[in-house]
Amino acid sequence: DTEVTQTPKHLVMGMTNKKSLKCEQHMGHRAMYWYKQKAKKPPELMFVYSYEKLSINESVPSRFSPECPNSSLLNLHLHALQPEDSALYLCASSQLGGEKLFFGSGTQLSVL
Amino acid sequence: GENVEQHPSTLSVQEGDSAVIKCTYSDSASNYFPWYKQELGKRPQLIIDIRSNVGEKKDQRIAVTLNKTAKHFSLHITETQPEDSAVYFCAARGVYNQGGKLIFGQGTELSVKP
Repeated sequence: DTEVTQTPKHLVMGMTNKKSLKCEQHMGHRAMYWYKQKAKKPPELMFVYSYEKLSINESVPSRFSPECPNSSLLNLHLHALQPEDSALYLCASSQLGGEKLFFGSGTQLSVL
Repeated sequence: GENVEQHPSTLSVQEGDSAVIKCTYSDSASNYFPWYKQELGKRPQLIIDIRSNVGEKKDQRIAVTLNKTAKHFSLHITETQPEDSAVYFCAARGVYNQGGKLIFGQGTELSVKP
């Protein structure tokens, strides 16, 4: 299995809602990532987990809260988002060292 | 920290022609350089990568060259086909103060006209 699976594919939420994005991989990768991407722009790194521990937080606002329950799963909890947070949220995984990232198909998020 | 510049931002070629996309990086210690292709509405997919101890790597119609002295690397696509149309991102793995994270270029939108 060489896939990273993300759910949901689309999400519309109001600014007072709480929602979660989910990501799963079964490639035995020990590094997992959350990226944010605007249309035709490069992915922007948000968080990196290595061995299920948060190793990089790119000064992301606290309304985004990551969680890594085990080596195969990665969640991103969303609360009180702003309209400017609307974007494609991509999960990725890799072996340690940051090489050969496999990306999921993403969650297209719209905040109203 | 590492900075990656990518040119051109848009590129239009006729089917069968070659396409070249160039990137420069600032951190001389960077040692890993991948290229990602992202079709409209799809995920970024790794198409080729190169490490700093190699000058060139080829995979069918795609090749990447690296000039460490000049700190630039390029993607070459030969015999382009309409399905090569996509946004291409180069990246470099920063080392100092960046935890080995990938730094992406701004992307090149390639259009291959039949």
